[in-house]
Amino acid sequence: KAGVTQTPRYLIKTRGQQVTLSCSPISGHRSVSWYQQTPGQGLQFLFEYFSETQRNKGNFPGRFSGRQFSNSRSEMNVSTLELGDSALYLCASSGGGTGLLQETQYFGPGTRLLVL
Amino acid sequence: SQKIEQNSEALNIQEGKTATLTCNYTNYSPAYLQWYRQDPGRGPVFLLLIRENEKEKRKERLKVTFDTTLKQSLFHITASQPADSATYLCALVGNKLIFGTGTLLAVQP
Repeated sequence: KAGVTQTPRYLIKTRGQQVTLSCSPISGHRSVSWYQQTPGQGLQFLFEYFSETQRNKGNFPGRFSGRQFSNSRSEMNVSTLELGDSALYLCASSGGGTGLLQETQYFGPGTRLLVL
Repeated sequence: SQKIEQNSEALNIQEGKTATLTCNYTNYSPAYLQWYRQDPGRGPVFLLLIRENEKEKRKERLKVTFDTTLKQSLFHITASQPADSATYLCALVGNKLIFGTGTLLAVQP
């Protein structure tokens, strides 16, 4: 089975721009979660989507949004980029049947975003 | 607010020895605790999950303990190998998922 894939792998943007990241989960997985990883804050949960609906949400501003399509692929959007948004953005998929919190998360390789 | 602390500095050990990593938490009552391994430039990889009613879980050379009274989990790698060198993350699973900042383990040959 193919693993979780994320595109693009690297991205450079300037302050004020917006960015869209894409995640394709493992085939058959219905839950996709997004995380931000920085050296100072570590790995922080952004949100989780299950069956095209946001099911859980972390403590990030509204500039961070996402969506999930009927084939379980997910996109994450960050508007009005700030320097502090520079990070590794990881998505993870799981079966999702019992809820995000009880299942193993399978992570993708991440998208490294640099905001200048 | 909830807080997780892992070994704040890198852990250096000799090949063949047992590595012990610590995960302490406060202001949280997780139902589960997970351990992940992360290599540079890659996403975390799930290793073990332990439930609040389990004291210990083993998988090959890995052992995890979970003490809800001390609010602590210990992660052991026995007979460590240079290939075990990586960052290890603990994650608390309750009404939300919270990751620690990780411990960098370096196993010297």
